[in-house]
Amino acid sequence: EDKVVQSPLSLVVHEGDTVTLNCSYEVTNFRSLLWYKQEKKAPTFLFMLTSSGIEKKSGRLSSILDKKELFSILNITATQTGDSAIYLCAVKMAEKLVFGKGTKLTVNP
Amino acid sequence: DTGVSQDPRHKITKRGQNVTFRCDPISEHNRLYWYRQTLGQGPEFLTYFQNEAQLEKSRLLSDRFSAERPKGSFSTLEIQRTEQGDSAMYLCASSLVREAGELFFGEGSRLTVL
Repeated sequence: EDKVVQSPLSLVVHEGDTVTLNCSYEVTNFRSLLWYKQEKKAPTFLFMLTSSGIEKKSGRLSSILDKKELFSILNITATQTGDSAIYLCAVKMAEKLVFGKGTKLTVNP
Repeated sequence: DTGVSQDPRHKITKRGQNVTFRCDPISEHNRLYWYRQTLGQGPEFLTYFQNEAQLEKSRLLSDRFSAERPKGSFSTLEIQRTEQGDSAMYLCASSLVREAGELFFGEGSRLTVL
């Protein structure tokens, strides 16, 4: 059965800390891996990764994919309270996305 | 606003009633997806359309659920004889037909079945 597993499920940090969120997967027909941020509404797109070893960056966020070991990490440096959200990892298989349960990040001032 | 829009945003209904949700995708997107999300879980795939054709349905989609996209533009998701277990956020997303294209989500329709 196709699965996407995220860890940790919950994380509480202080502003300024650096965090690493993990996503491992076992799927058929892998096309890409995507990260989304979900606050109290719709998931918003962060990154799409298709190739191993190529880091994608956007401001304080970065992500990398390892297709041999079947995992990805999302790093957030110098966290801010506005980073508090659920971070969802999803794998694109053929025509659909399969999501993990998400990591709930809480950044305290 | 050129994003994905969903209506209604919130729906409270009594068990046994029928409900219908509408999704208007981004206009040039030919793929439309329905997902369901419950508390503490990631979104679960329900079904998707390419233009007006429904190409895949999840086993989660019981025969009480039906989705349509009659003209390849907006879509409706109907739930008949609602049960308390149907309470969830129903998310619609759209995308272009592209091998690794990202999905763009609407803000969801939250269903509460009493």
